[in-house]
Amino acid sequence: AQKVTQAQTEISVVEKEDVTLDCVYETRDTTYYLFWYKQPPSGELVFLIRRNSFDEQNEISGRYSWNFQKSTSSFNFTITASQVVDSAVYFCALSETGGYQKVTFGIGTKLQVIP
Amino acid sequence: EAQVTQNPRYLITVTGKKLTVTCSQNMNHEYMSWYRQDPGLGLRQIYYSMNVEVTDKGDVPEGYKVSRKEKRNFPLILESPSPNQTSLYFCASSGQNNSPLHFGNGTRLTVT
Repeated sequence: AQKVTQAQTEISVVEKEDVTLDCVYETRDTTYYLFWYKQPPSGELVFLIRRNSFDEQNEISGRYSWNFQKSTSSFNFTITASQVVDSAVYFCALSETGGYQKVTFGIGTKLQVIP
Repeated sequence: EAQVTQNPRYLITVTGKKLTVTCSQNMNHEYMSWYRQDPGLGLRQIYYSMNVEVTDKGDVPEGYKVSRKEKRNFPLILESPSPNQTSLYFCASSGQNNSPLHFGNGTRLTVT
């Protein structure tokens, strides 16, 4: 069975600090996809990134970066120079091959950026 | 505008009174699903549908029904709601296998 663990339930940082959100996953599949979604205080869920299991290249998008390490089954998300607008709940998710059937979400990490 | 539309946004009802939460997408997506979000539990899948007339249970299907008679619509039916179904519900759709999910804005349901 697949599982996603986000051990940090809540994190508070001061604006401009860097912050890393951890995501650890479990799956028996060799082919799978990992996702991060953002849920701002307004409540909608917004897609941030998708990574497949064969692509371990780290990715950077502006202040956001993602570190995928198959050896430790982790897909961590770093926000550099955090801003108040980054305050949200962030969900990591896992989808196995033929993955429509099963998209498993972590419980989410609530990030509060203090001005 | 490409979107997933859920209605209503807020719903307060009483135990046992049947209700339906509608979900419609205009992206011609084959895959649709329902999730519920509860504090400390994240998002849990209730039901999903691979295509018209094809539905299957997710992790927490008890007390819920769905139907997929048309590609664009995927209503969630609570035949006899109970207080433990008080939650925030999200409908989602996706066009291709393992593509990102497009979510509706959510329906906050309270069952008293």
